[in-house]
Amino acid sequence: NAGVMQNPRHLVRRRGQEARLRCSPMKGHSHVYWYRQLPEEGLKFMVYLQKENIIDESGMPKERFSAEFPKEGPSILRIQQVVRGDSAAYFCASSPLTNNEQFFGPGTRLTVL
Amino acid sequence: GIQVEQSPPDLILQEGANSTLRCNFSDSVNNLQWFHQNPWGQLINLFYIPSGTKQNGRLSATTVATERYSLLYISSSQTTDSGVYFCAVERVDSNYQLIWGAGTKLIIKP
Repeated sequence: NAGVMQNPRHLVRRRGQEARLRCSPMKGHSHVYWYRQLPEEGLKFMVYLQKENIIDESGMPKERFSAEFPKEGPSILRIQQVVRGDSAAYFCASSPLTNNEQFFGPGTRLTVL
Repeated sequence: GIQVEQSPPDLILQEGANSTLRCNFSDSVNNLQWFHQNPWGQLINLFYIPSGTKQNGRLSATTVATERYSLLYISSSQTTDSGVYFCAVERVDSNYQLIWGAGTKLIIKP
């Protein structure tokens, strides 16, 4: 029973490039959440999605960031024209329909040069 | 918005010692989760505990929702317990968004 999967685990991009982060939820989970963690800090909520729907993106910057969770395939967090300040660990979590206990993937560590 | 405060921020103990970590929150919450972030960065679910007491091996947690705090107890610490312990609360007006404390960094020395 696989847990939440994220890839890549590490991603290096130069300023101005695009970053695509992928998340496959646990089997049977239909809710996906993305969080960002800066060094020495707790996680900050970015966006909550269900299949084909963005439920809440209030924590996501209005520009350059977008997220989707298509009917088929993983959820994608996309960062366009990355800047150094985007360097962080990005975690994805999923939860079942029955409650909101969130289970986390291993994270993607994005480094912008 | 809701504030989540964890104490102490840092804790250094010898192997075998017991410890108590605290999480205070400033408003009513639907639920509370405790996580362990190991030195490799992985987040591990410890407890999903809106109220009451739960135990899992050497770890236990108690949440007193009416007084807005939760405690995580670690007994007979092992070096593998090292890492950062986070509590995260689910706001009443948002039944999914987790608000995180800054964590307690625990170092267990052999």
